[in-house]
Amino acid sequence: GQSLEQPSEVTAVEGAIVQINCTYQTSGFYGLSWYQQHDGGAPTFLSYNALDGLEETGRFSSFLSRSDSYGYLLLQELQMKDSASYFCAVRDGGDYKLSFGAGTTVTVRA
Amino acid sequence: NAGVTQTPKFQVLKTGQSMTLQCAQDMNHNSMYWYRQDPGMGLRLIYYSASEGTTDKGEVPNGYNVSRLNKREFSLRLESAAPSQTSVYFCASSDTGIGNQPQHFGDGTRLSIL
Repeated sequence: GQSLEQPSEVTAVEGAIVQINCTYQTSGFYGLSWYQQHDGGAPTFLSYNALDGLEETGRFSSFLSRSDSYGYLLLQELQMKDSASYFCAVRDGGDYKLSFGAGTTVTVRA
Repeated sequence: NAGVTQTPKFQVLKTGQSMTLQCAQDMNHNSMYWYRQDPGMGLRLIYYSASEGTTDKGEVPNGYNVSRLNKREFSLRLESAAPSQTSVYFCASSDTGIGNQPQHFGDGTRLSIL
Protein backbone atom coordinates (compact mmCIF):
# COMPACT_ATOMS: atom_id res chain seq x y z
CA GLY A 1 0.00 0.00 0.00
CA GLN A 2 0.84 3.66 0.07
CA SER A 3 1.80 5.77 3.09
CA LEU A 4 2.31 9.54 3.21
CA GLU A 5 3.36 11.54 6.26
CA GLN A 6 2.98 15.29 6.67
CA PRO A 7 2.66 17.55 9.72
CA SER A 8 -0.89 18.13 10.93
CA GLU A 9 -0.62 21.86 11.68
CA VAL A 10 1.61 24.85 11.03
CA THR A 11 1.10 28.43 12.24
CA ALA A 12 3.00 31.45 10.95
CA VAL A 13 2.65 35.22 10.63
CA GLU A 14 1.96 37.20 7.50
CA GLY A 15 5.04 37.65 5.34
CA ALA A 16 6.78 34.60 6.77
CA ILE A 17 7.94 31.44 4.96
CA VAL A 18 6.43 28.02 5.69
CA GLN A 19 7.76 24.64 4.58
CA ILE A 20 5.44 21.62 4.61
CA ASN A 21 7.30 18.33 4.42
CA CYS A 22 5.95 15.11 2.98
CA THR A 23 7.54 11.68 3.15
CA TYR A 24 6.06 8.77 1.26
CA GLN A 25 6.26 5.03 0.87
CA THR A 26 4.78 3.64 -2.33
CA SER A 27 5.09 0.53 -4.46
CA GLY A 28 5.66 2.66 -7.55
CA PHE A 29 6.23 6.36 -8.20
CA TYR A 30 5.14 8.60 -11.03
CA GLY A 31 5.06 11.95 -9.26
CA LEU A 32 4.25 14.01 -6.15
CA SER A 33 1.47 16.59 -6.25
CA TRP A 34 0.24 19.26 -3.87
CA TYR A 35 -3.37 20.38 -3.43
CA GLN A 36 -4.89 23.25 -1.45
CA GLN A 37 -8.28 23.17 0.27
CA HIS A 38 -10.02 26.17 1.82
CA ASP A 39 -12.61 25.59 4.56
CA GLY A 40 -13.56 22.09 3.41
CA GLY A 41 -14.27 23.19 -0.14
CA ALA A 42 -13.08 21.70 -3.40
CA PRO A 43 -9.35 20.85 -3.33
CA THR A 44 -7.40 22.64 -6.04
CA PHE A 45 -4.15 21.62 -7.71
CA LEU A 46 -1.01 23.59 -6.79
CA SER A 47 2.07 21.84 -8.15
CA TYR A 48 3.60 18.61 -9.39
CA ASN A 49 7.09 17.11 -9.32
CA ALA A 50 8.04 14.03 -11.30
CA LEU A 51 11.79 14.61 -11.27
CA ASP A 52 14.19 15.67 -8.52
CA GLY A 53 14.53 19.37 -7.90
CA LEU A 54 12.59 22.53 -7.31
CA GLU A 55 9.53 23.74 -9.21
CA GLU A 56 8.55 27.37 -8.67
CA THR A 57 5.13 28.86 -9.30
CA GLY A 58 4.88 32.40 -7.99
CA ARG A 59 5.04 32.45 -4.18
CA PHE A 60 4.79 28.66 -3.99
CA SER A 61 7.58 26.20 -4.72
CA SER A 62 7.70 22.44 -4.52
CA PHE A 63 10.73 20.18 -4.14
CA LEU A 64 11.25 16.47 -4.68
CA SER A 65 14.00 14.03 -3.79
CA ARG A 66 13.08 10.59 -5.14
CA SER A 67 16.07 8.90 -3.51
CA ASP A 68 14.84 10.11 -0.09
CA SER A 69 11.12 9.58 -0.87
CA TYR A 70 10.66 13.16 0.31
CA GLY A 71 9.22 16.38 -0.90
CA TYR A 72 8.13 19.72 0.44
CA LEU A 73 5.90 22.65 -0.40
CA LEU A 74 7.33 26.09 0.32
CA LEU A 75 4.96 28.98 0.86
CA GLN A 76 6.68 32.36 0.70
CA GLU A 77 5.47 35.85 1.61
CA LEU A 78 2.57 34.33 3.47
CA GLN A 79 -0.79 36.06 3.12
CA MET A 80 -3.97 35.62 5.14
CA LYS A 81 -5.61 33.94 2.14
CA ASP A 82 -2.99 31.17 2.36
CA SER A 83 -4.73 29.86 5.50
CA ALA A 84 -5.94 26.49 4.25
CA SER A 85 -5.22 22.78 4.31
CA TYR A 86 -2.46 21.46 2.07
CA PHE A 87 -2.27 17.86 0.90
CA CYS A 88 0.57 15.98 -0.70
CA ALA A 89 -0.46 13.18 -3.05
CA VAL A 90 1.45 10.45 -4.82
CA ARG A 91 0.67 8.94 -8.19
CA ASP A 92 2.01 5.42 -7.96
CA GLY A 93 0.80 3.84 -11.18
CA GLY A 94 -0.05 4.38 -14.80
CA ASP A 95 -3.76 4.94 -14.19
CA TYR A 96 -3.55 8.49 -12.76
CA LYS A 97 -5.14 7.73 -9.39
CA LEU A 98 -3.65 9.47 -6.35
CA SER A 99 -3.01 8.56 -2.73
CA PHE A 100 -3.32 11.58 -0.42
CA GLY A 101 -1.65 12.46 2.85
CA ALA A 102 -3.80 13.46 5.82
CA GLY A 103 -3.18 17.15 5.19
CA THR A 104 -1.46 20.08 6.91
CA THR A 105 -3.56 22.94 8.24
CA VAL A 106 -1.72 26.24 7.77
CA THR A 107 -2.91 29.15 9.88
CA VAL A 108 -1.62 32.60 9.00
CA ARG A 109 -1.77 35.22 11.76
CA ALA A 110 -1.63 38.97 11.35
CA ASN B 1 -17.60 25.99 -17.81
CA ALA B 2 -18.97 24.42 -14.68
CA GLY B 3 -16.10 21.91 -14.28
CA VAL B 4 -17.19 19.12 -11.92
CA THR B 5 -20.75 19.31 -10.59
CA GLN B 6 -21.96 17.21 -7.66
CA THR B 7 -25.53 16.76 -6.48
CA PRO B 8 -26.87 16.99 -3.88
CA LYS B 9 -24.72 19.34 -1.79
CA PHE B 10 -26.21 18.13 1.51
CA GLN B 11 -28.15 15.03 2.49
CA VAL B 12 -29.35 13.42 5.71
CA LEU B 13 -30.25 9.73 5.64
CA LYS B 14 -31.44 7.19 8.14
CA THR B 15 -29.49 3.99 8.68
CA GLY B 16 -30.45 1.44 6.04
CA GLN B 17 -31.67 3.92 3.44
CA SER B 18 -30.16 3.96 -0.04
CA MET B 19 -28.81 6.97 -1.89
CA THR B 20 -27.08 7.83 -5.16
CA LEU B 21 -24.63 10.69 -5.37
CA GLN B 22 -24.36 12.22 -8.82
CA CYS B 23 -21.28 13.66 -10.50
CA ALA B 24 -20.86 15.19 -13.94
CA GLN B 25 -17.90 16.85 -15.62
CA ASP B 26 -17.83 19.00 -18.74
CA MET B 27 -14.09 18.94 -19.45
CA ASN B 28 -14.14 15.80 -21.64
CA HIS B 29 -11.90 14.01 -19.13
CA ASN B 30 -11.33 10.30 -19.44
CA SER B 31 -10.84 9.49 -15.73
CA MET B 32 -13.18 10.10 -12.81
CA TYR B 33 -12.85 9.43 -9.09
CA TRP B 34 -14.88 9.27 -5.87
CA TYR B 35 -13.26 10.17 -2.53
CA ARG B 36 -14.45 10.49 1.01
CA GLN B 37 -12.94 12.95 3.45
CA ASP B 38 -13.14 12.46 7.20
CA PRO B 39 -11.57 14.73 9.84
CA GLY B 40 -7.82 14.17 10.10
CA MET B 41 -7.75 11.49 7.40
CA GLY B 42 -7.33 13.38 4.16
CA LEU B 43 -8.96 12.13 0.98
CA ARG B 44 -9.45 8.40 0.59
CA LEU B 45 -10.24 6.90 -2.78
CA ILE B 46 -13.46 4.86 -2.88
CA TYR B 47 -13.71 3.94 -6.56
CA TYR B 48 -12.36 5.28 -9.79
CA SER B 49 -13.01 4.97 -13.50
CA ALA B 50 -9.89 5.19 -15.63
CA SER B 51 -11.97 5.48 -18.79
CA GLU B 52 -15.55 5.16 -19.96
CA GLY B 53 -16.75 1.61 -19.42
CA THR B 54 -14.28 0.70 -16.67
CA THR B 55 -14.43 0.98 -12.88
CA ASP B 56 -12.00 -0.16 -10.20
CA LYS B 57 -11.91 -0.29 -6.41
CA GLY B 58 -9.88 2.20 -4.47
CA GLU B 59 -8.75 2.14 -0.86
CA VAL B 60 -12.18 2.04 0.84
CA PRO B 61 -14.79 0.48 -1.50
CA ASN B 62 -16.83 -1.55 0.98
CA GLY B 63 -20.46 -0.44 1.20
CA TYR B 64 -20.39 1.46 -2.10
CA ASN B 65 -21.09 0.82 -5.76
CA VAL B 66 -20.40 3.02 -8.78
CA SER B 67 -21.63 3.44 -12.32
CA ARG B 68 -19.81 5.22 -15.14
CA LEU B 69 -22.94 6.13 -17.03
CA ASN B 70 -21.11 7.79 -19.92
CA LYS B 71 -17.95 9.86 -20.35
CA ARG B 72 -19.46 12.79 -18.42
CA GLU B 73 -21.17 11.09 -15.50
CA PHE B 74 -19.96 8.91 -12.62
CA SER B 75 -22.38 8.06 -9.81
CA LEU B 76 -21.77 6.64 -6.33
CA ARG B 77 -24.43 4.51 -4.63
CA LEU B 78 -24.88 3.60 -0.99
CA GLU B 79 -27.20 0.57 -0.96
CA SER B 80 -27.75 0.44 2.82
CA ALA B 81 -26.34 3.51 4.54
CA ALA B 82 -24.49 3.12 7.84
CA PRO B 83 -23.42 5.82 10.35
CA SER B 84 -19.78 5.06 9.49
CA GLN B 85 -20.48 6.44 6.01
CA THR B 86 -21.14 9.90 7.39
CA SER B 87 -18.56 11.96 5.54
CA VAL B 88 -17.91 14.55 2.86
CA TYR B 89 -17.80 12.97 -0.58
CA PHE B 90 -15.80 14.50 -3.40
CA CYS B 91 -15.91 13.63 -7.07
CA ALA B 92 -12.95 14.47 -9.29
CA SER B 93 -11.92 14.08 -12.90
CA SER B 94 -8.68 14.20 -14.82
CA ASP B 95 -7.43 13.91 -18.34
CA THR B 96 -5.00 11.20 -19.38
CA GLY B 97 -1.77 11.48 -21.30
CA ILE B 98 1.91 12.12 -20.90
CA GLY B 99 3.03 14.03 -17.83
CA ASN B 100 0.98 15.50 -15.04
CA GLN B 101 -2.79 15.40 -15.31
CA PRO B 102 -4.17 17.27 -12.28
CA GLN B 103 -7.45 16.23 -10.76
CA HIS B 104 -10.33 18.71 -10.77
CA PHE B 105 -12.71 18.42 -7.84
CA GLY B 106 -16.36 19.18 -7.30
CA ASP B 107 -17.60 21.12 -4.26
CA GLY B 108 -18.52 17.96 -2.36
CA THR B 109 -21.62 16.32 -0.89
CA ARG B 110 -22.02 16.54 2.89
CA LEU B 111 -23.74 13.30 3.92
CA SER B 112 -24.99 12.54 7.42
CA ILE B 113 -26.36 9.14 8.36
CA LEU B 114 -28.40 8.94 11.54
